Amino acid sequence: AQTVTQSQPEMSVQEAETVTLSCTYDTSESDYYLFWYKQPPSRQMILVIRQEAYKQQNATENRFSVNFQKAAKSFSLKISDSQLGDAAMYFCAYRSGSGNTPLVFGKGTRLSVIA
Amino acid sequence: DVKVTQSSRYLVKRTGEKVFLECVQDMDHENMFWYRQDPGLGLRLIYFSYDVKMKEKGDIPEGYSVSREKKERFSLILESASTNQTSMYLCASSLMGRVLSPLHFGNGTRLTVT
Repeated sequence: AQTVTQSQPEMSVQEAETVTLSCTYDTSESDYYLFWYKQPPSRQMILVIRQEAYKQQNATENRFSVNFQKAAKSFSLKISDSQLGDAAMYFCAYRSGSGNTPLVFGKGTRLSVIA
Repeated sequence: DVKVTQSSRYLVKRTGEKVFLECVQDMDHENMFWYRQDPGLGLRLIYFSYDVKMKEKGDIPEGYSVSREKKERFSLILESASTNQTSMYLCASSLMGRVLSPLHFGNGTRLTVT
């Protein structure tokens, strides 16, 4: 079974600085997809960014980017120019490319942004 | 925008009660999911469904059952609530067959069993 590990339960960053959240995963599959979700205090979980494993180019969405290292099975999230609204729980998730399978989530990282 | 609505934001029930958590989505999604969220444990899948009257067990189905009589509605049932089922419950939906299709989540139900 696939597993997703987020080794940092909590992180903090100064406003306007850059922070990187770590995620590693374990799989024997070659076709899969990776995601980062954000859960602010309002509890509404939203998708931040996604990456196809077959793509070598790292995904980017505005201030959010990933560092996808397929051989190392690492999928870290970089947040640039951090804002107060970035404070949230961040979850890394894995989805198999075969079949209609659910996402597997990591345990999450709580990010605090200091003004 | 896809909307996933969970019927209650907060719920307090007594041990032994039968509890229904309701979830409705309005975008004709085939897949629906129930996750449980606990501090330090992340999101754990309880059950999911990819079609009406179909259900699949997730990682922690014990003590729970589900019902999907209509495509838009997916109910989580606690047959006899216990204190260890005190948790946040998240419902989600997605399109079938599109691996990049994001999960759309409800706002969660925080259930307390006393």
